[in-house]
Amino acid sequence: SQKIEQNSEALNIQEGKTATLTCNYTNYSPAYLQWYRQDPGRGPVFLLLIRENEKEKRKERLKVTFDTTLKQSLFHITASQPADSATYLCALDMADTGFQKLVFGTGTRLLVSP
Amino acid sequence: GAGVSQSPRYKVAKRGQDVALRCDPISGHVSLFWYQQALGQGPEFLTYFQNEAQLDKSGLPSDRFFAERPEGSVSTLKIQRTQQEDSAVYLCASSLSGQSYNEQFFGPGTRLTVL
Repeated sequence: SQKIEQNSEALNIQEGKTATLTCNYTNYSPAYLQWYRQDPGRGPVFLLLIRENEKEKRKERLKVTFDTTLKQSLFHITASQPADSATYLCALDMADTGFQKLVFGTGTRLLVSP
Repeated sequence: GAGVSQSPRYKVAKRGQDVALRCDPISGHVSLFWYQQALGQGPEFLTYFQNEAQLDKSGLPSDRFFAERPEGSVSTLKIQRTQQEDSAVYLCASSLSGQSYNEQFFGPGTRLTVL
């Protein structure tokens, strides 16, 4: 079955630094990969989607890479701010059923200190 | 409303009780998803609707779980004879068409605690 690994330990960084979060997967080649942000007591919020034929995608201070050979996606937040503190989830789209079916990782908690 | 809403936000049930969780998706969204999220874990897929049709219910943990979306808008997730292991946050999400490239919009979730 599909396995998605994200760092279970929290990532602590200082304000202004770049945060890099990792998402590794096995046993599948997803056509799409999505990243979501989740704050305590709230539902996940969509951030970025990257397709298998895209190496990199950017949105403001966010950058996502997708290496289908390594079966890995990296999620970067540049010039991090305390407001970026949250849990970040990666999700693979199984997409073999004709409709979207997301499989989520466990998430990595990011803590940005002022 | 502007987003996905869920009710109740919190539900405490005694073991063996039946519960019903409601989801109001974004108006016009064809696809609706239910997820279960345990503490410290990512959301796990339960079931998927395209309009009123339940196209995938492979993630429902047991036959005690039942979901419906009779008119293709509001959906209800029902859990019969609740067990302690059912304690989790139940998230509902909707998307415009259910295609792979669509983002999903999540509600705030219902936190279910079974005593």
